[in-house]
Amino acid sequence: DVKVTQSSRYLVKRTGEKVFLECVQDMDHENMFWYRQDPGLGLRLIYFSYDVKMKEKGDIPEGYSVSREKKERFSLILESASTNQTSMYLCASSRGSGGLNEQFFGPGTRLTVL
Amino acid sequence: AQKVTQAQTEISVVEKEDVTLDCVYETRDTTYYLFWYKQPPSGELVFLIRRNSFDEQNEISGRYSWNFQKSTSSFNFTITASQVVDSAVYFCALRDPWDYGQNFVFGPGTRLSVLP
Repeated sequence: DVKVTQSSRYLVKRTGEKVFLECVQDMDHENMFWYRQDPGLGLRLIYFSYDVKMKEKGDIPEGYSVSREKKERFSLILESASTNQTSMYLCASSRGSGGLNEQFFGPGTRLTVL
Repeated sequence: AQKVTQAQTEISVVEKEDVTLDCVYETRDTTYYLFWYKQPPSGELVFLIRRNSFDEQNEISGRYSWNFQKSTSSFNFTITASQVVDSAVYFCALRDPWDYGQNFVFGPGTRLSVLP
């Protein structure tokens, strides 16, 4: 079974802190994604990566950065957390190229920034 | 621009009722893929179905069925004889196969509550 794991289910941080969200997948997928999920807005893509050390901006990259040093690991970084970044963060991975391949999701990290 | 609309924000039904979740999409592409995902209370999105734009055949999988109609740009999802375990948020998504990363457009989701 494909497994996507995220380092924390719940996280509470203070405004201005640097926050790291880690995601690991065990199926050798090329593509990895970070989304945030907010009520009424569905999932919005923050960043994605289609290969090691490659990254592309999604729809809402402002205030975030990412790192992919190894194929299985994709990190989301909040350089200086703000209260409007309080949200559910979902990591996903998928195989190869093309539109046919579904994304496999992790359980999510609910981040609260105080 | 691509867009997915799920007009039903929340639906409540009593167990054993049938329920249909609506999904309307917008795209200028002639080739695209449509997906449904289920997000149970545990939080992890679970893939349910994928349909490509050239295959308008409806699909049935157990109590689940999907009705794809290109003429109305809809890809509706029906649960027959609903059960409490069907309670979840359901997302419809659209994907352009040629556009890396920017290619998954999710709808806002429909929260389904099935009451015993």
